[in-house]
Amino acid sequence: GQNIDQPTEMTATEGAIVQINCTYQTSGFNGLFWYQQHAGEAPTFLSYNVLDGLEEKGRFSSFLSRSKGYSYLLLKELQMKDSASYLCAVRDYDSSGSARQLTFGSGTQLTVLP
Amino acid sequence: SQTIHQWPATLVQPVGSPLSLECTVEGTSNPNLYWYRQAAGRGLQLLFYSVGIGQISSEVPQNLSASRPQDRQFILSSKKLLLSDSGFYLCAGAGQVDEQFFGPGTRLTVL
Repeated sequence: GQNIDQPTEMTATEGAIVQINCTYQTSGFNGLFWYQQHAGEAPTFLSYNVLDGLEEKGRFSSFLSRSKGYSYLLLKELQMKDSASYLCAVRDYDSSGSARQLTFGSGTQLTVLP
Repeated sequence: SQTIHQWPATLVQPVGSPLSLECTVEGTSNPNLYWYRQAAGRGLQLLFYSVGIGQISSEVPQNLSASRPQDRQFILSSKKLLLSDSGFYLCAGAGQVDEQFFGPGTRLTVL
């Protein structure tokens, strides 16, 4: 099975940098995803990591350490519109070696203050 | 790129009534499709996924069922709704690395 942990809430100031952590436990890791979800809306895909290291995409970056079961999402130059819930999701292999579906964490609610 | 359509956007139903939520996909053929539910303040729970017409896998035992009558159509149903079925229902398709592309969702309230 999978166990995914993220902080419930975070607060940061406009223009600052914030790091949202995600830890997971899984028997056969096969990829980690980050999603952004604004209140009342569907999640939108932000990033995908399957190998160790940093993936940068504009103001957003995502890091993965498979040996530590750890990822973070880094948001730079925060804007008010970045206030949202950020969901970490993990895909793993089942015991037969088939890729399973995604398991989502409960999300981190980020509030950006002026 | 694919586009996921869902309707209705909101729905209020009495306990014991039936349910039918429809999801259609544009921009791709033979997509993997998914139904998720999100309870208030909670993460996404996978309910069903489908790799093709007539092929449905259920992740959790529940009061709901799913069907895929056509390649680009995925339907979520219930014969008798329970209070616990309230939530935000999301249909999704899979991208190149199995990232999920979500539809706009249906907010269901069971009274």
